[in-house]
Amino acid sequence: SAVISQKPSRDICQRGTSLTIQCQVDSQVTMMFWYRQQPGQSLTLIATANQGSEATYESGFVIDKFPISRPNLTFSTLTVSNMSPEDSSIYLCSVEGGLVLTYGYTFGSGTRLTVV
Amino acid sequence: AQSVTQLGSHVSVSEGALVLLRCNYSSSVPPYLFWYVQYPNQGLQLLLKYTSAATLVKGINGFEAEFKKSETSFHLTKPSAHMSDAAEYFCAVNFGNEKLTFGTGTRLTIIP
Repeated sequence: SAVISQKPSRDICQRGTSLTIQCQVDSQVTMMFWYRQQPGQSLTLIATANQGSEATYESGFVIDKFPISRPNLTFSTLTVSNMSPEDSSIYLCSVEGGLVLTYGYTFGSGTRLTVV
Repeated sequence: AQSVTQLGSHVSVSEGALVLLRCNYSSSVPPYLFWYVQYPNQGLQLLLKYTSAATLVKGINGFEAEFKKSETSFHLTKPSAHMSDAAEYFCAVNFGNEKLTFGTGTRLTIIP
């Protein structure tokens, strides 16, 4: 299965600033997913990123707040813009290796964001 | 509507006892089903998955799950709990649209 490197692992940011999270995969993948996990909560899908096209956002998430880049088949970034304390969460990227029957979905180790 | 339900946000079992974590789904099409574990301050690790083959699926760390179509369930079990099993467990479902929908999670506590 794919191996994902996600950076930074954690950060403390001032409100009103932006943070860009990077997700690097060791193999080419078609789809990459970005999730948010609020404190003590489950995972909520933010958006799906395909290479060469605009990301598809879930209800409640907008591109101005969470812009995503997907420049190639092994890399993606998620930016959390104009942050407020409510954005304090764990953000995770995930990939589906193209063979759900074999590999399932792999997750990065997450970025723990605290906004002060 | 398609949904995933995990009954019991907190489950406590004694060390050596049976672990049973419940997951039910709502879907009109056969889904792909997954169980993930999240240890404190870590990412998600795949325990096991159901992909329309054998209904009894064996995973890592001694866990297994049985897909029951008639009950729309995919409960996770382990015969004998170990202290290292203490973690958050998530049931997740792919309803055929490439995305994963997660249940609300169950925090498993092991009592010595």
